[in-house]
Amino acid sequence: IAGITQAPTSQILAAGRRMTLRCTQDMRHNAMYWYRQDLGLGLRLIHYSNTAGTTGKGEVPDGYSVSRANTDDFPLTLASAVPSQTSVYFCASSDSDANTGELFFGEGSRLTVL
Amino acid sequence: GQNIDQPTEMTATEGAIVQINCTYQTSGFNGLFWYQQHAGEAPTFLSYNVLDGLEEKGRFSSFLSRSKGYSYLLLKELQMKDSASYLCAVMDSNYQLIWGAGTKLIIKP
Repeated sequence: IAGITQAPTSQILAAGRRMTLRCTQDMRHNAMYWYRQDLGLGLRLIHYSNTAGTTGKGEVPDGYSVSRANTDDFPLTLASAVPSQTSVYFCASSDSDANTGELFFGEGSRLTVL
Repeated sequence: GQNIDQPTEMTATEGAIVQINCTYQTSGFNGLFWYQQHAGEAPTFLSYNVLDGLEEKGRFSSFLSRSKGYSYLLLKELQMKDSASYLCAVMDSNYQLIWGAGTKLIIKP
């Protein structure tokens, strides 16, 4: 089934540890995004990539890094996790040539930092 | 600053009609989106409005007034499966999406 796959689904992590959330899409979309979703707040953009080889900072990039070596993969890395990074993380993609700009989301990765 | 406002929670009865409002103040406007998100799941696209007026898609309709910075999502013939959060998002002049916090819709039998 075409779509976006995220891993892991959930993870409990000790503060100070390094963590990479994986995201893979098979729709050949050129744009990809990482959001975090916290209770009572809207989705907040962490980083984005308009095309393979390029990345950009979103609204809340501090403490996170991304890479886009190819079209399909867009991993998100927390270099040294802190409790405030406890959240649900969603990867998304879009076909930026389409008129609607519709986003397709992965199922999310629930991260708890203790 | 940029802001999207929508009610935190609404309750409606199965079979009825409900209107979820969204007001926005953004730097520019390149379209407004509605997404549905069931608890514990990913958001899924419902509608996109860039011109004023009503867009109808089955039981769901979305309305936009750019001059008023206002949109609503209208759900007809409510079903229990419509219980979910409904997210309003606006694309600003930089083509970045600004998201509201979402409206949790509770459907009662």
